[in-house]
Amino acid sequence: DAGVTQSPTHLIKTRGQQVTLRCSPKSGHDTVSWYQQALGQGPQFIFQYYEEEERQRGNFPDRFSGHQFPNYSSELNVNALLLGDSALYLCASSLIRNRKDKSEAFFGQGTRLTVV
Amino acid sequence: SQKIEQNSEALNIQEGKTATLTCNYTNYSPAYLQWYRQDPGRGPVFLLLIRENEKEKRKERLKVTFDTTLKQSLFHITASQPADSATYLCALHNTGNQFYFGTGTSLTVIP
Repeated sequence: DAGVTQSPTHLIKTRGQQVTLRCSPKSGHDTVSWYQQALGQGPQFIFQYYEEEERQRGNFPDRFSGHQFPNYSSELNVNALLLGDSALYLCASSLIRNRKDKSEAFFGQGTRLTVV
Repeated sequence: SQKIEQNSEALNIQEGKTATLTCNYTNYSPAYLQWYRQDPGRGPVFLLLIRENEKEKRKERLKVTFDTTLKQSLFHITASQPADSATYLCALHNTGNQFYFGTGTSLTVIP
């Protein structure tokens, strides 16, 4: 059983460009959340997708957008990249449906994005 | 404002001793609190979950306490080993299934 997989593992982009990061959740999970982790900081919540809709959003600008597909996989898109967007982007999957009493999340290894 | 604060300094302890990490929060009312381990360049790995109505949770050498009055969680690793060296993150979990993470505490266990 594969855990959460993210691609690519590393990425270098130029300021102003656009980037798409991908995430496949753990088998059986229906919810995907995205986090940004700057060096030396804890992960910051970007948004969460469930049933192909954005359900929750953190304090991130509209340049950050996402999508969830029918197979529960997800993409994170960032437009007009800034130097400050350089970070480790983490995807976490969990199961919401019928599991209100448990909320363990499984994280992928992350995508290291460097904006130059 | 909302804050989650973990040990401000890195923690160095001798092998075999008990490591105690703290997580204090303000202006949150978490339904759950979780602890994760993160190694350099890797995603966080889930360790323990404790609910607001639980005082203590144990898993092998790990123990977590949760005091909603003090708004604090303590994370203990007993009989620590060099392999326990990592960054440990606490995460508060609201009813919307959203996590708020602390900045983490770096633990080094010295042989």
